[in-house]
Amino acid sequence: DQQVKQNSPSLSVQEGRISILNCDYTNSMFDYFLWYKKYPAEGPTFLISISSIKDKNEDGRFTVFLNKSAKHLSLHIVPSQPGDSAVYFCAAASNYQLIWGAGTKLIIKP
Amino acid sequence: GAGVSQSPSNKVTEKGKDVELRCDPISGHTALYWYRQSLGQGLEFLIYFQGNSAPDKSGLPSDRFSAERTGGSVSTLTIQRTQQEDSAVYLCASSSQGGTETQYFGPGTRLLVL
Repeated sequence: DQQVKQNSPSLSVQEGRISILNCDYTNSMFDYFLWYKKYPAEGPTFLISISSIKDKNEDGRFTVFLNKSAKHLSLHIVPSQPGDSAVYFCAAASNYQLIWGAGTKLIIKP
Repeated sequence: GAGVSQSPSNKVTEKGKDVELRCDPISGHTALYWYRQSLGQGLEFLIYFQGNSAPDKSGLPSDRFSAERTGGSVSTLTIQRTQQEDSAVYLCASSSQGGTETQYFGPGTRLLVL
């Protein structure tokens, strides 16, 4: 049973517009959520995180929103840039483990 | 080096052979993780080392998989009698303490079992 789900395998967005990547989770015990970005042939790199005591965290063009009642988080990228094209993984922390989603491939069109 | 390194970067092997994958974590990081990413799949947790504690092996898919971490630093993931379904990218990550600390990933080892 997948505890962290990213239901969109891919997303295509025009350069300059907003990219919204979604993630749903099932375990209400998760208390920390992270987004990682992965380019081909490289390992994932940390992007942004949010604690369950917050509902929003912003870092430059990247904002993560957390809706605990809906067990849903989203990553907003605005404005989207060509270099944002990558696979984005959502992860939820439980003790020392990160439970990962399957990833969403974001394609930024020029 | 400053980051996590893994070797080899690519490995092609025949079904039934054993393979060893190596991970050099960031110096001073006490936590080390192994993950597997199969085509079109998310990151699958395999094993976790934290300091001198017994490793969490709960993610290892079968007894053909084993890992060790010598001296609290370098780790080796061993797959015995490889099968075609073992083909995947094997990623290693380290963090300073474990828990919710940011994990820093290596570039991965791409394993292809023919």
